[in-house]
Amino acid sequence: GDSVTQMEGPVTLSEEACLTINCTYTATGYPSLFWYVQYPGEGLQLLLKATKADDKGSNKGFEATYRKETTSFHLEKGSVQVSDSAVYFCALSDVGSQGNLIFGKGTKLSVKP
Amino acid sequence: KAGVTQTPRYLIKTRGQQVTLSCSPISGHRSVSWYQQTPGQGLQFLFEYFSETQRNKGNFPGRFSGRQFSNSRSEMNVSTLELGDSALYLCASSYKQGFVDEQYFGPGTRLTVT
Repeated sequence: GDSVTQMEGPVTLSEEACLTINCTYTATGYPSLFWYVQYPGEGLQLLLKATKADDKGSNKGFEATYRKETTSFHLEKGSVQVSDSAVYFCALSDVGSQGNLIFGKGTKLSVKP
Repeated sequence: KAGVTQTPRYLIKTRGQQVTLSCSPISGHRSVSWYQQTPGQGLQFLFEYFSETQRNKGNFPGRFSGRQFSNSRSEMNVSTLELGDSALYLCASSYKQGFVDEQYFGPGTRLTVT
């Protein structure tokens, strides 16, 4: 079945450091890929998405490129801020999941001033 | 546009009781999905409703059920609560114009079973 694997956390970075959170997937068809972010005490917010191979999703300085050849969708940011501290979830949706989201386990990011 | 709203935000119940959670989707969204989030299992899909019909169901026991009303509002019910049902229950809505569509999440209902 479909699945998403993302790097284990927690990840602790200093402000202005570079961020990469790895995400790989297994899917039946050609999935859409998403990154969601969850701030403490809140629900999930859609951060960015990509719906086909080689698409790049971007938002708030975060980027991720849909790599079909490596079945990956790594999240990157060039310079993190304290306000980026949150839990990040990689997710997919496709025929195999009947259109609903399958999530990775989440990666907790803490950014220190 | 108002976002997805969920009520109540927090709930404490006793083992064996039942509970009903409510979700109001974004205006115009016809699909509502429910997810359970726990530290151990992460985010797991419960079920999805579209135009008052359950279209998909995750791997949860029959104690978990739901419904959707004609205005797209949705409720989920858990009967005979167990300690393991303690979780954050998230509702998400989408327009579902195509087969794959992004989902927008509510803040969740934190259920504690004692």
